[in-house]
Amino acid sequence: DTGVSQDPRHKITKRGQNVTFRCDPISEHNRLYWYRQTLGQGPEFLTYFQNEAQLEKSRLLSDRFSAERPKGSFSTLEIQRTEQGDSAMYLCASSLTVGNSPLHFGNGTRLTVT
Amino acid sequence: AQSVTQLDSHVSVSEGTPVLLRCNYSSSYSPSLFWYVQHPNKGLQLLLKYTSAATLVKGINGFEAEFKKSETSFHLTKPSAHMSDAAEYFCVVTTDSWGKFQFGAGTQVVVTP
Repeated sequence: DTGVSQDPRHKITKRGQNVTFRCDPISEHNRLYWYRQTLGQGPEFLTYFQNEAQLEKSRLLSDRFSAERPKGSFSTLEIQRTEQGDSAMYLCASSLTVGNSPLHFGNGTRLTVT
Repeated sequence: AQSVTQLDSHVSVSEGTPVLLRCNYSSSYSPSLFWYVQHPNKGLQLLLKYTSAATLVKGINGFEAEFKKSETSFHLTKPSAHMSDAAEYFCVVTTDSWGKFQFGAGTQVVVTP
């Protein structure tokens, strides 16, 4: 179990630029989740996958956000035309499907939009 | 629908004294409940989970939580706080049929010497 890894750890970008984050889940986990966390708040659900299928997207996720998990392994989250309000910590987590298995989190990618 | 309410946004305790973090939930189905801890600039770490077995759940680092269905509560306790317990704590609910995990707003714990 090498844990969930996220890349990069930090990203600073200018407003209007596109950014892409990567998440590598625990290898045997078939569910993968993306959350967003702003200062002083709990994580907010963005989207999740079971294998390569994206099962649900939050209404918080505007059309500028897209996530993929092409082979059911790693996932990418892309934000197009970034805005200052996109500045946040983006957390990835993975889990098994069986019996309400807990989420295992990566250390997150902190995005700052200037 | 599922929701989670953490009743205290900040808790301050002295080292060596008990810690109580309160969590209430609502769920249309039999829930699974979790507590996570987040230290500064770190990801979230699982402390403990309740999945309809024993109502008193023991976790890591001396924490435990009790599921009370009648009160729809899942409060987290520790008998004696340590300086390393200073962190943010999140109560989380999910169900088998739902697949999503709903987080509370968090409780910031400060431990004073």
